[in-house]
Amino acid sequence: GQQLNQSPQSMFIQEGEDVSMNCTSSSIFNTWLWYKQDPGEGPVLLIALYKAGELTSNGRLTAQFGITRKDSFLNISASIPSDVGIYFCAGPEISSGSARQLTFGSGTQLTVLP
Amino acid sequence: EAGVAQSPRYKIIEKRQSVAFWCNPISGHATLYWYQQILGQGPKLLIQFQNNGVVDDSQLPKDRFSAERLKGVDSTLKIQPAKLEDSAVYLCASSLVLGQGVNIQYFGAGTRLSVL
Repeated sequence: GQQLNQSPQSMFIQEGEDVSMNCTSSSIFNTWLWYKQDPGEGPVLLIALYKAGELTSNGRLTAQFGITRKDSFLNISASIPSDVGIYFCAGPEISSGSARQLTFGSGTQLTVLP
Repeated sequence: EAGVAQSPRYKIIEKRQSVAFWCNPISGHATLYWYQQILGQGPKLLIQFQNNGVVDDSQLPKDRFSAERLKGVDSTLKIQPAKLEDSAVYLCASSLVLGQGVNIQYFGAGTRLSVL
């Protein structure tokens, strides 16, 4: 199956700083999804990207679908304490019967220091 | 709109015991997924249902794991017997559309299993 490499694995930043993380794939993706997981909760969708080169924002979050279709970036501007959590990239792969499963990256653990 | 409900939230068992998890998806969502998330990793798909049928269970360890969705709504995931390496968070997700296009999956809070 497809593999997603996500980096960095963890980040410690000061409140107010900007954050950038990325995800690369061994194969082409047609869609990129970015999820955030708070402690003790399930992942929540932040941004969905549907075509190469697309740049989409959701508040202080901005994500881009790489031109090669093998990578994606997530930026968070002016970080705040509630940004703490694990950020996952994910993409759908075709399995039996055209079912769309999601492959997840290993996550970026973000810690925001006051 | 109510989200994906899972229970229990936490479970501690000894190895070789049995355990079952329950999931109630978002109303109207035909597709239901069970994931295993080991600490420090992303979720890994175990099984995918479309209504009450299994779409893909290729990554389900069938010698000890089983899942069912008899009426096409609620689902249960069972482990029998449990091993130490089964300690993980078990996430249930549901989505509206199967097939073409992207299925946006909505996740429950998960069940954290500790096998001692």
